Amino acid sequence: AQSVTQLGSHVSVSEGALVLLRCNYSSSVPPYLFWYVQYPNQGLQLLLKYTSAATLVKGINGFEAEFKKSETSFHLTKPSAHMSDAAEYFCAVANTNAGKSTFGDGTTLTVKP
Amino acid sequence: DTAVSQTPKYLVTQMGNDKSIKCEQNLGHDTMYWYKQDSKKFLKIMFSYNNKELIINETVPNRFSPKSPDKAHLNLHINSLELGDSAVYFCASSQQPGGASYEQYFGPGTRLTVT
Repeated sequence: AQSVTQLGSHVSVSEGALVLLRCNYSSSVPPYLFWYVQYPNQGLQLLLKYTSAATLVKGINGFEAEFKKSETSFHLTKPSAHMSDAAEYFCAVANTNAGKSTFGDGTTLTVKP
Repeated sequence: DTAVSQTPKYLVTQMGNDKSIKCEQNLGHDTMYWYKQDSKKFLKIMFSYNNKELIINETVPNRFSPKSPDKAHLNLHINSLELGDSAVYFCASSQQPGGASYEQYFGPGTRLTVT
């Protein structure tokens, strides 16, 4: 079984401030973890993924996430928010037993000027 | 060249009609998916095909019928459309089933509005 919980359906930050989007997962076997971004009226695109190679994963557009097994977390961060980061962000978990990815409910990121 | 494409992008139709959405991927992937995203942005998997075989069929009304003529195409046919079917439908593909260790590539979506 697998599940993912995104804490905070809406996050608002000022331009230049730290972005922190929270994701906790549950998986019966070692997981693969993903963050996707969805810009308005577009499909989802991959930001970064964790596949057990390294616990700190760097993605596109300056985002990174750290896999913490003890906390079952995979939080997404970016040191300095840009207006263009405003979007919907989805955390997803997959494992070889489940045969599918399970997506969180999404977090809407708003960036204020 | 678009990796995952869907047609149409917008679909407005009346209750009771039958409609189809087409999806094509040129990534050489073996696995394709249909997702439904509701007005609250919640994303739910509906179906998954691997090499033209149905491998995931979530709790979806029988009015929804996927068809995969080859591994590059996955179409979705919906019979007797209802108001609750209004949503954005996304097609996606990945190299292996479940997206385990392999990311999914999403199409641009088809916004279905049932009136």
